[in-house]
Amino acid sequence: DVKVTQSSRYLVKRTGEKVFLECVQDMDHENMFWYRQDPGLGLRLIYFSYDVKMKEKGDIPEGYSVSREKKERFSLILESASTNQTSMYLCASRGTGGNEQYFGPGTRLTVT
Amino acid sequence: GESVGLHLPTLSVQEGDNSIINCAYSNSASDYFIWYKQESGKGPQFIIDIRSNMDKRQGQRVTVLLNKTVKHLSLQIAATQPGDSAVYFCAENPPSYKYIFGTGTRLKVLA
Repeated sequence: DVKVTQSSRYLVKRTGEKVFLECVQDMDHENMFWYRQDPGLGLRLIYFSYDVKMKEKGDIPEGYSVSREKKERFSLILESASTNQTSMYLCASRGTGGNEQYFGPGTRLTVT
Repeated sequence: GESVGLHLPTLSVQEGDNSIINCAYSNSASDYFIWYKQESGKGPQFIIDIRSNMDKRQGQRVTVLLNKTVKHLSLQIAATQPGDSAVYFCAENPPSYKYIFGTGTRLKVLA
């Protein structure tokens, strides 16, 4: 069974804080994704990584950065959290040659 | 509570009845489609997928139908159970790493 884990289920941070969201997958997948999910909107891609140290911007990268130092770990960084970054953040992974994405349980981030 | 379900269309069905959830997809080049189930407070869970060279695929109690002519996807759940209550959304995968996700439908199963 593929397992994608995220470091926190719930997080509350203050405006201006630096925030790290961690994601780990155990299936040796090359591809990892960070999405945010907001009411009334579909999942929106923030960043994608197709290999260690490789990344591509998704549809809404502004205000975010990512780090992929090891294959199994993909981190999302909010350099200076703002209230409009309050959201559910979902990490996913996918193997090369496969189509199915496996999601983590999500981190609900509130920025006050 | 889980706010992802706010503002979503809702389908209410009686326990034991069949459910049909619909999705219109956007990219005629998409060649792979997935249905996900998302329960309150959890990440999306894969239900069933279908490739564009098929028009129907069956799983356990679930069937996905694909109509490429009108870019329409549907998920049928047979003998709906209380545990099926969740938000369901489709995803399409054009030839790239990107996925396009629908906004979802909330399924409520009435006892």
